[in-house]
Amino acid sequence: NAGVTQTPKFQVLKTGQSMTLQCAQDMNHEYMSWYRQDPGMGLRLIHYSVGAGITDQGEVPNGYNVSRSTTEDFPLRLLSAAPSQTSVYFCASQRERDTQYFGPGTRLTVL
Amino acid sequence: KQEVTQIPAALSVPEGENLVLNCSFTDSAIYNLQWFRQDPGKGLTSLLLIQSSQREQTSGRLNASLDKSSGRSTLYIAASQPGDSATYLCAVRPRDQGGKLIFGQGTELSVKP
Repeated sequence: NAGVTQTPKFQVLKTGQSMTLQCAQDMNHEYMSWYRQDPGMGLRLIHYSVGAGITDQGEVPNGYNVSRSTTEDFPLRLLSAAPSQTSVYFCASQRERDTQYFGPGTRLTVL
Repeated sequence: KQEVTQIPAALSVPEGENLVLNCSFTDSAIYNLQWFRQDPGKGLTSLLLIQSSQREQTSGRLNASLDKSSGRSTLYIAASQPGDSATYLCAVRPRDQGGKLIFGQGTELSVKP
């Protein structure tokens, strides 16, 4: 199993640009989540999904959209990038009440 | 609102020492608690998962305990090694909130040779 994969690893955007961070898992996990990690703020939940077609907001959802059309994929869309979205983004997946597995992260810089 | 706190924020110890990392949470209505390790510039690796009905879990030199009623968990590392240097994070999964995890800020551990 490849586990949880994320692309790209690094990205630089200009303010106002849009982009999609990709996340895929091959473990047939029902739950998938997106977090951002910032110095001094820890990991904060952006959006999560409990299954295909079902998504919900986390702690910091503004400026981000998600969809879950398949069990495997959970892309995160930045609608209009802002410098405040400069961060490291992690995708994670798990089975119910089981260990959460994390991807390697995407480092995003918004200029 | 569930809050997770980890103390201390940073810890430096000589090689070979036994050490304890602390995690506290404000709401005891949790499914489970996980301890993760994060190396600089890397993702998170799960170390131990304790279900709400369990008191402790062990893996090699690591032992994690859970006292749900007092809102506390500890991660015990025996005979620390320089390779244990990393940031350790604990996270709780609140009951009835899907796959959400609430993270502490982490403890940055440095083990000196």
